[in-house]
Amino acid sequence: AQTVTQSQPEMSVQEAETVTLSCTYDTSESNYYLFWYKQPPSRQMILVIRQEAYKQQNATENRFSVNFQKAAKSFSLKISDSQLGDTAMYFCAFMKPQFGNEKLTFGTGTRLTIIP
Amino acid sequence: DTGVSQDPRHKITKRGQNVTFRCDPISEHNRLYWYRQTLGQGPEFLTYFQNEAQLEKSRLLSDRFSAERPKGSFSTLEIQRTEQGDSAMYLCASSTGTGGTDTQYFGPGTRLTVL
Repeated sequence: AQTVTQSQPEMSVQEAETVTLSCTYDTSESNYYLFWYKQPPSRQMILVIRQEAYKQQNATENRFSVNFQKAAKSFSLKISDSQLGDTAMYFCAFMKPQFGNEKLTFGTGTRLTIIP
Repeated sequence: DTGVSQDPRHKITKRGQNVTFRCDPISEHNRLYWYRQTLGQGPEFLTYFQNEAQLEKSRLLSDRFSAERPKGSFSTLEIQRTEQGDSAMYLCASSTGTGGTDTQYFGPGTRLTVL
């Protein structure tokens, strides 16, 4: 079974600064996908960024980028030029691609607060 | 594309009562997932539908829980004889199921409180 660990329960950063959220995972699979989801207060979870394990290049989506270290089983999220709207719970998730059920395995989350 | 919707958003019930939640996925999404999220935890997988077929259930889903997806459209999750430990946020997600690895789109969740 796969496990996902987020060791930072809470973080805070000044607006416009850069912050990095950590995630490690454990799996024996060689082909898998990793995700960062954002859950704003009282709002639904949305996908921030995804990474295919077979791709060496780190994924980037505007101000969001990841540092994927496959050998170390590490998948951190960097948020540049942080904005007040980035305040949310951030969940790291693992998925094994297969025909049919592609359920997500989530970490416990990091509560990020952007300070004005 | 109106997104995944869930109803009700909040439900307060007394222990021992039955409750039913509804999820309307994005239209034409073949895959539908239910997750449960307790305070301070990430969502945990409960069950999965491919069209109308329920293909996998987690061990978290005791026999008091039942889920359906008639006609492969909306889905319902029923909890019988609720217990205080059932208090959680119940999340629904859907994806296209057209091949490759699909992004799961989540609904706003139903927050259940069992008194």
